[in-house]
Amino acid sequence: DAKTTQPNSMESNEEEPVHLPCNHSTISGTDYIHWYRQLPSQGPEYVIHGLTSNVNNRMASLAIAEDRKSSTLILHRATLRDAAVYYCILRDEGGGTSYGKLTFGQGTILTVHP
Amino acid sequence: DTGVSQDPRHKITKRGQNVTFRCDPISEHNRLYWYRQTLGQGPEFLTYFQNEAQLEKSRLLSDRFSAERPKGSFSTLEIQRTEQGDSAMYLCASSSRLATAGANVLTFGAGSRLTVL
Repeated sequence: DAKTTQPNSMESNEEEPVHLPCNHSTISGTDYIHWYRQLPSQGPEYVIHGLTSNVNNRMASLAIAEDRKSSTLILHRATLRDAAVYYCILRDEGGGTSYGKLTFGQGTILTVHP
Repeated sequence: DTGVSQDPRHKITKRGQNVTFRCDPISEHNRLYWYRQTLGQGPEFLTYFQNEAQLEKSRLLSDRFSAERPKGSFSTLEIQRTEQGDSAMYLCASSSRLATAGANVLTFGAGSRLTVL
């Protein structure tokens, strides 16, 4: 599986935007970029995904570099409830035997200060 | 849609005992995954079911571990002769193979935390 690199931790203040970076220089053409987050004592939850174009949903925005070797998850106004571990994951949708499973790294621990 | 349910949420056992965890996926989801997560680490893939067929097993899944998904509905993960190193959060997730490529997101349960004394 193609790997991703994320900072171990980041901090933000409440109500401010947060940009969480992810590097994936070995991404292949069939890899989708997925972001999940894990709140304390909970299972991971889906945040957003994309292939080439930038994506927006009610939770966040995903900005994908033109060469697809990096991406940024954007939380437009961080709240205390956004404090979590954020995982950037490449998911192969090109068939084969990946069966759509997700391979997690260690993610970025986001701390939000009031 | 009540999400993915896991039971029990917490289990404390003594070394050498057997434990079983149950996962009830979202009803229309035919894909089911088990993961293990230790403190400070991301979840690690254990095994995958498509309907009732177990199609992939990680080498993390030693012969003391067995998973089943009879009738393609709920799944169980059993650990025999537990060891202290088995202490972890065991997460179950489900998804639908019929979803649009790339949009096949996994829905996780809250996990079952195992402590082996």
